[in-house]
Amino acid sequence: AQSVTQPDIHITVSEGASLELRCNYSYGATPYLFWYVQSPGQGLQLLLKYFSGDTLVQGIKGFEAEFKRSQSSFNLRKPSVHWSDAAEYFCAVVNNNDMRFGAGTRLTVKP
Amino acid sequence: DSGVTQTPKHLITATGQRVTLRCSPRSGDLSVYWYQQSLDQGLQFLIQYYNGEERAKGNILERFSAQQFPDLHSELNLSSLELGDSALYFCASSVTGRETQYFGPGTRLLVL
Repeated sequence: AQSVTQPDIHITVSEGASLELRCNYSYGATPYLFWYVQSPGQGLQLLLKYFSGDTLVQGIKGFEAEFKRSQSSFNLRKPSVHWSDAAEYFCAVVNNNDMRFGAGTRLTVKP
Repeated sequence: DSGVTQTPKHLITATGQRVTLRCSPRSGDLSVYWYQQSLDQGLQFLIQYYNGEERAKGNILERFSAQQFPDLHSELNLSSLELGDSALYFCASSVTGRETQYFGPGTRLLVL
């Protein structure tokens, strides 16, 4: 069955530290891949997306993600986290009009 | 601001009632999606419309229905409401349905 897995429900990092949020998917072909961020009480904002081409994609707010076909992964990274990055992050995949979201990873940033 | 608008922002109603949520997509977008976000189920895809036609169906209950009108706005109708229907309902839109979706701010529904 098609699925999207975000293994980490909650991650806490110190401000200024690096961040990596994991996302794995199980689809037959390479789907379209997305990362969205949701601040409390807000809608989802697109951080970045991967359709094809360069497997390292740059997004907004200093985020990047790397698609690794061999690992069926699309992990989100940021070299230095800011307090304003505290939010919930969702990985999503689209394959043949079927869009699935991961369960989300809540990021807490310590001062 | 994504350009997707949803009304109302908040809705409080009683069990057994019926409500209608409204969504206006970004200008130029033909595809509209509806999602439900709850604490126990996470973010779930409900249904997608493209240019007035239903294109894909997800975990949408039979008590729920949607439509997309000629001006491309969409409505999600929820009937015979139950306590468990309390959730955030998001609308998203995209140009054709195969690429980036832009999300509205959501409608928070509380069923008492």
